[in-house]
Amino acid sequence: QSALTQPRSVSGSPGQSVAISCTGTSSDVGGYNYVSWYQQHPGKAPKLMIYDVNKRPSGVPDRFSGSKSGNTASLTISGLQAEDEADYYCCSYAGSYTLIFGGGTKLTVL
Amino acid sequence: QVQLQESGPGLVKPSETLSLTCTVSGASIRGYYWNWIRQPPGKGLEWIGYIYNSGNTNYNPSLKSRVTISVDTSKNRFSLKLSSVTAADTAVYYCARPVAATKLDPFDIWGQGTMVTVSS
Repeated sequence: QSALTQPRSVSGSPGQSVAISCTGTSSDVGGYNYVSWYQQHPGKAPKLMIYDVNKRPSGVPDRFSGSKSGNTASLTISGLQAEDEADYYCCSYAGSYTLIFGGGTKLTVL
Repeated sequence: QVQLQESGPGLVKPSETLSLTCTVSGASIRGYYWNWIRQPPGKGLEWIGYIYNSGNTNYNPSLKSRVTISVDTSKNRFSLKLSSVTAADTAVYYCARPVAATKLDPFDIWGQGTMVTVSS
């Protein structure tokens, strides 16, 4: 089980949109609609932002959206705000009741 | 509200067994997939495994030979044991619970995490 592939870093200016990709295989991302995204600020526990590819938990701004095409899932953040600066991790069901995370992406708000 | 609290030694010697406990408050430990996840310093998250309904377990294949997760329903807590540790097991260890009782994930409730260092 290798970690899902995410870009090491992305950046954007306040108000802009950024997308973070998460590439796996047909055995994980591509095989199930169970991709979630977590936001993690330094020294804090991860926070759930998106689940089941494109669903938002209560309290998460609608600036955050998720999608999937083939073996690649994406998290899009529109109207970037300073507080969005954090690390983001994708997670996918990988069959046989196992999970796999991505390597993480550092988002910098310029 | 539901809260999770990890506890255990912060320092473990190489080749020994790492032991952590996650105490659940505000909810019964029955009926959910209770998970352990870790994060080495400066690195990404790694799913370790879960225990479900007081006995059913499943582990990350890469750790399976060294991991045991158990539960103590009388104390509303579950535990992680990782044997034969090396420096590569140095990490912040989180316990986490998914949003729904019937689902393995996603995780909306996390403990604060506990740092475990493997060093002699």
